[in-house]
Amino acid sequence: GENVEQHPSTLSVQEGDSAVIKCTYSDSASNYFPWYKQELGKRPQLIIDIRSNVGEKKDQRIAVTLNKTAKHFSLHITETQPEDSAVYFCAASMNTGNQFYFGTGTSLTVIP
Amino acid sequence: KAGVTQTPRYLIKTRGQQVTLSCSPISGHRSVSWYQQTPGQGLQFLFEYFSETQRNKGNFPGRFSGRQFSNSRSEMNVSTLELGDSALYLCASSFVGPDTEAFFGQGTRLTVV
Repeated sequence: GENVEQHPSTLSVQEGDSAVIKCTYSDSASNYFPWYKQELGKRPQLIIDIRSNVGEKKDQRIAVTLNKTAKHFSLHITETQPEDSAVYFCAASMNTGNQFYFGTGTSLTVIP
Repeated sequence: KAGVTQTPRYLIKTRGQQVTLSCSPISGHRSVSWYQQTPGQGLQFLFEYFSETQRNKGNFPGRFSGRQFSNSRSEMNVSTLELGDSALYLCASSFVGPDTEAFFGQGTRLTVV
């Protein structure tokens, strides 16, 4: 089955700096790659997603890039703010249903 | 519109007991998936239901089972609870299934003692 690896597991940045989280996947059949943000004690919430026919997608301070050949995708957060502090999960899914393979998460801390 | 609702929010059970968790998806969503979240393993897929049928299943023992009703509400059951079953159980609903956004509930925190 699909295997998603995520790095780093923890990340600390100064407010205003950029943060980058990287994920790799193993199954070339995966074609949908969402990123979820989970604040402490709360549910995971989708922040951005990308489909396999797109190489890059941006939404204000957040961007995601996808390299299908290398089977990796990355989350970029610019101008980080303290409220960006949370655990971020990458995920991959195939066109087989509402089944996601998640990375193990990155705990991001933005230091004011 | 109302989000995904999971009940109960917290549960404490004794080893060997069984437990049933409930998930009410967003109105109109027909796909419901279940995940187990633990600090060491992250989110692991349990199973997915679509139109009352199990469509996908993860690598969990048969003690973990589920079902979906005609109104798309779903339940998962864990029998013969083990200490290692302590986790946050999350369900996620989506409109159709493949390639569409999944919305998570707040989860049920299960503690097995």
